[in-house]
Amino acid sequence: QQQVKQSPQSLIVQKGGISIINCAYENTAFDYFPWYQQFPGKGPALLIAIRPDVSEKKEGRFTISFNKSAKQFSLHIMDSQPGDSATYFCAASPGGATNKLIFGTGTLLAVQP
Amino acid sequence: DTAVSQTPKYLVTQMGNDKSIKCEQNLGHDTMYWYKQDSKKFLKIMFSYNNKELIINETVPNRFSPKSPDKAHLNLHINSLELGDSAVYFCASSQDGTLGKLFFGSGTQLSVL
Repeated sequence: QQQVKQSPQSLIVQKGGISIINCAYENTAFDYFPWYQQFPGKGPALLIAIRPDVSEKKEGRFTISFNKSAKQFSLHIMDSQPGDSATYFCAASPGGATNKLIFGTGTLLAVQP
Repeated sequence: DTAVSQTPKYLVTQMGNDKSIKCEQNLGHDTMYWYKQDSKKFLKIMFSYNNKELIINETVPNRFSPKSPDKAHLNLHINSLELGDSAVYFCASSQDGTLGKLFFGSGTQLSVL
């Protein structure tokens, strides 16, 4: 029940395209869903986060879509750029507790010029 | 000026040795963490400290011992290193353990030969 399942494992997108990464969870106590971006040799950095009281959150080219009934959420990267090439992790926690954050398995995104 | 800094960046050692990784944050955060990222990039929490008090101790072997001399520092000492300990270890911090974003260091790549 503590798992967060993430897909795909890797993704290749052309510059200007839309990148979509999906996550699913089981634990209905989860109520905070962040996405982290990690570049090679660096630690993960928070990209965007959502709570289940909204179905969508947008920040620039990054959008989280949330489906509470399906227990799924996804990250959409619009107008993908080569600089977006990184590993993306979804995560979830109950009560927004950062000390109980469970990460997905990561998606390696490559945006081709 | 780095928010969360950890040293060393790389650590190569023989099986059976004892080693330490140091972490410092200058963000004034109350909570610090150690995460392990394995070769498949899976991120898993190991420990969480809040104001020098151990909050989370995930099923980590006793050979791993965190030490927090003050709330700005969280070191990780590993005894009797094993091949399976090879991974990237990330230190992170957050304002508190209940809400908000994690700030990660750049990681320590540990290679046990």
